[in-house]
Amino acid sequence: GENVEQHPSTLSVQEGDSAVIKCTYSDSASNYFPWYKQELGKRPQLIIDIRSNVGEKKDQRIAVTLNKTAKHFSLHITETQPEDSAVYFCAAGGVAGGGADGLTFGKGTHLIIQP
Amino acid sequence: NAGVTQTPKFQVLKTGQSMTLQCAQDMNHEYMSWYRQDPGMGLRLIHYSVGAGITDQGEVPNGYNVSRSTTEDFPLRLLSAAPSQTSVYFCASSYGRPEVNEQFFGPGTRLTVL
Repeated sequence: GENVEQHPSTLSVQEGDSAVIKCTYSDSASNYFPWYKQELGKRPQLIIDIRSNVGEKKDQRIAVTLNKTAKHFSLHITETQPEDSAVYFCAAGGVAGGGADGLTFGKGTHLIIQP
Repeated sequence: NAGVTQTPKFQVLKTGQSMTLQCAQDMNHEYMSWYRQDPGMGLRLIHYSVGAGITDQGEVPNGYNVSRSTTEDFPLRLLSAAPSQTSVYFCASSYGRPEVNEQFFGPGTRLTVL
């Protein structure tokens, strides 16, 4: 089945700086890569996703890049703000057969924005 | 639209007790799933359903049962609770398969097994 590795587990950045979270996946058949944000005590919410037919996608201060050859994808947050503090999860999906269907999640990155 | 709802929000069980976690969605989504979230472990898939009457196992199905008699409801049953099942449980739904469609999560149920 699919295996997703996420780094770092904790990331502390100064307000206004950029943050980058990286994920690698194992199954080359995966073709959908969403990112979820989870605030303390809340449910995960989708913030951005990318499919394997594109290399980069942006939404205001958030961007995701995908390198299918190397099987890794990254979340970039620019001009970080206090409300960006949360746990971020990457996921990979689209594996046809073999292992569980649906999404495989990374273990999460706790992003801390220092004032 | 209430979206995805879960009950109860909190539950404490003793080892060996059984219970059902409820999940409902009002978005007419075909695909529903259950995840458990443990500290430092991310979200792990327990069971999922691609439509009424169809269920299948995920990554960590042992100790849990599910059924899908209607499109709206997808309950998760713990047959004989164990301390290892202490976790936060999230139900999620999507219009189609989650690798194609956005998955919406419920608010979660925090379960403690003593």
